[in-house]
Amino acid sequence: SQKIEQNSEALNIQEGKTATLTCNYTNYSPAYLQWYRQDPGRGPVFLLLIRENEKEKRKERLKVTFDTTLKQSLFHITASQPADSATYLCALSNSGGGADGLTFGKGTHLIIQP
Amino acid sequence: DVKVTQSSRYLVKRTGEKVFLECVQDMDHENMFWYRQDPGLGLRLIYFSYDVKMKEKGDIPEGYSVSREKKERFSLILESASTNQTSMYLCAIGRAENTGELFFGEGSRLTVL
Repeated sequence: SQKIEQNSEALNIQEGKTATLTCNYTNYSPAYLQWYRQDPGRGPVFLLLIRENEKEKRKERLKVTFDTTLKQSLFHITASQPADSATYLCALSNSGGGADGLTFGKGTHLIIQP
Repeated sequence: DVKVTQSSRYLVKRTGEKVFLECVQDMDHENMFWYRQDPGLGLRLIYFSYDVKMKEKGDIPEGYSVSREKKERFSLILESASTNQTSMYLCAIGRAENTGELFFGEGSRLTVL
């Protein structure tokens, strides 16, 4: 069965450093990989999407890589700030429009220490 | 801004009660989804719809039904609530022609006693 793995333990990073989160998947060949941010008690918020034929995507302080050979995505936040503390979710889909829904990882809780 | 509104943020119901959770969007997106989120289990897809009156089962449809009579409105129904349906329920929308990013509502936290 399809499986998405994210670091289950909280990740503690000092302010100003780069935070790197990992998403690994098995039994899946997704066309799209997405990252979401979720704050406590709130719905997830879309951050970035990367296609299977793209290696890297950037948006401001965020960078995502997608290695379909390793079946892995890395999500980087550079110059991290305490406001970046949240849970970050990786999600995969085969189709455009999310027509069949997204499959989510369980998320990694990121804590940026001032 | 995309707006996805869920009817109730917090609900407390008793076992056996019928529960309606409603989701309304103002963006004319074709696809609508209901997820539940539980600690240690993450987000799991219950049902989704890609058009009015159309519905598809997700990964965990048992104990739930849905209704989509209008494009902007997608309802999740628990015919007879049980304690194992205590959860955070999240509605999401997506456009058919784009690459799949979803927009979520704020969630409805349901407690079944």
